[in-house]
Amino acid sequence: DQQVKQNSPSLSVQEGRISILNCDYTNSMFDYFLWYKKYPAEGPTFLISISSIKDKNEDGRFTVFLNKSAKHLSLHIVPSQPGDSAVYFCAARGHRGTSYGKLTFGQGTILTVHP
Amino acid sequence: GAGVSQSPRYKVAKRGQDVALRCDPISGHVSLFWYQQALGQGPEFLTYFQNEAQLDKSGLPSDRFFAERPEGSVSTLKIQRTQQEDSAVYLCASSFGGNNEKLFFGSGTQLSVL
Repeated sequence: DQQVKQNSPSLSVQEGRISILNCDYTNSMFDYFLWYKKYPAEGPTFLISISSIKDKNEDGRFTVFLNKSAKHLSLHIVPSQPGDSAVYFCAARGHRGTSYGKLTFGQGTILTVHP
Repeated sequence: GAGVSQSPRYKVAKRGQDVALRCDPISGHVSLFWYQQALGQGPEFLTYFQNEAQLDKSGLPSDRFFAERPEGSVSTLKIQRTQQEDSAVYLCASSFGGNNEKLFFGSGTQLSVL
């Protein structure tokens, strides 16, 4: 039972263009969403997050959008740079009353940004 | 060190062998988490410590898996009688705890069971 899904295994984008990574979830108890970025042979690093009470959070070139009614979130990277090439994981956290810190991850999307 | 440190970086075990994986969290981090990442998948939660207390071990796949953090800092994940399906990258993460949702991950231990 995959509660967090990233249906695109890979995405290829030209440098300078927008990258849009998508994520869907099924558990309505999730109240906090995060994006992590992972380079080969390294652990995931935190990128950006959004609470379920918001629909948008922006940090520099990165913006996360949350559509609760559709149980969908997306990460926008504008403009994309070759150094953004990595695996991106969407993650969700259950309601604080359940299991704080226990994240449910999607399968990941490999982003390749071409010069 | 400045980040989460895990050792060994790689571990090859024969089926049936016991293994121990070590995690040194960031100094002062109260919360510590273990995740298992199979090839081509996202990390899956195994267990969570707050200081030395193991508050959630719901993700441990079987009783062959055991984790401890006796002094509230370094943690060890032990797998007894390893099986081929245990082959994965084991990631450790730590955080300040409380309301801080940002986890800092180590580079992981890649376990291969032959």
